[in-house]
Amino acid sequence: GAGVSQSPRYKVTKRGQDVALRCDPISGHVSLYWYRQALGQGPEFLTYFNYEAQQDKSGLPNDRFSAERPEGSISTLTIQRTEQRDSAMYRCASSLLATDTQYFGPGTRLTVL
Amino acid sequence: GNSVTQMEGPVTLSEEAFLTINCTYTATGYPSLFWYVQYPGEGLQLLLKATKADDKGSNKGFEATYRKETTSFHLEKGSVQVSDSAVYFCALSAVPIGNNRKLIWGLGTSLAVNP
Repeated sequence: GAGVSQSPRYKVTKRGQDVALRCDPISGHVSLYWYRQALGQGPEFLTYFNYEAQQDKSGLPNDRFSAERPEGSISTLTIQRTEQRDSAMYRCASSLLATDTQYFGPGTRLTVL
Repeated sequence: GNSVTQMEGPVTLSEEAFLTINCTYTATGYPSLFWYVQYPGEGLQLLLKATKADDKGSNKGFEATYRKETTSFHLEKGSVQVSDSAVYFCALSAVPIGNNRKLIWGLGTSLAVNP
């Protein structure tokens, strides 16, 4: 079956612009996670959803970052007024409820000029 | 807090050599432990996992044993191939709060296998 998909795969934007990153989880997976990975680092947790409910957003670095999953499937991570330090790989993962195996999408490489 | 420490790379080996990538962790309770692999140009793939002490995860010739006494989950393979060249990440999923099983990651270890 289809895995986790993310779009766009690459995004180049200018400082100050808003960006929206999309994640389409595996069908039937109710848990969805967002991570950010800087070059040469491991991923870092951003936020987590169960169905449409955002259960944990403790990893979002500041209020320019927000995420939603309005129908409990596709999720959007939005970064407002982007800054160069936001440049990173943004990864989405999904899992079945109450299981610990997460399946990752290919990621979105964001570059802020 | 919870953390993962893995050996720094890059690691360069010849084909058929023995591989060990060390991983140790700090966590309260009994976390689940994972190795993920990222091949060039691809996303993160689960390689193997273990959910309780003394469990051994294995896949594609790779193995790792959950050692509670040494808080370790070292990755091993007896004979590496060129196709194993990738970045390997150790991660843990701590005792969940609610159903949140967010992963805590090491920095990754780059492996290059030469023919």
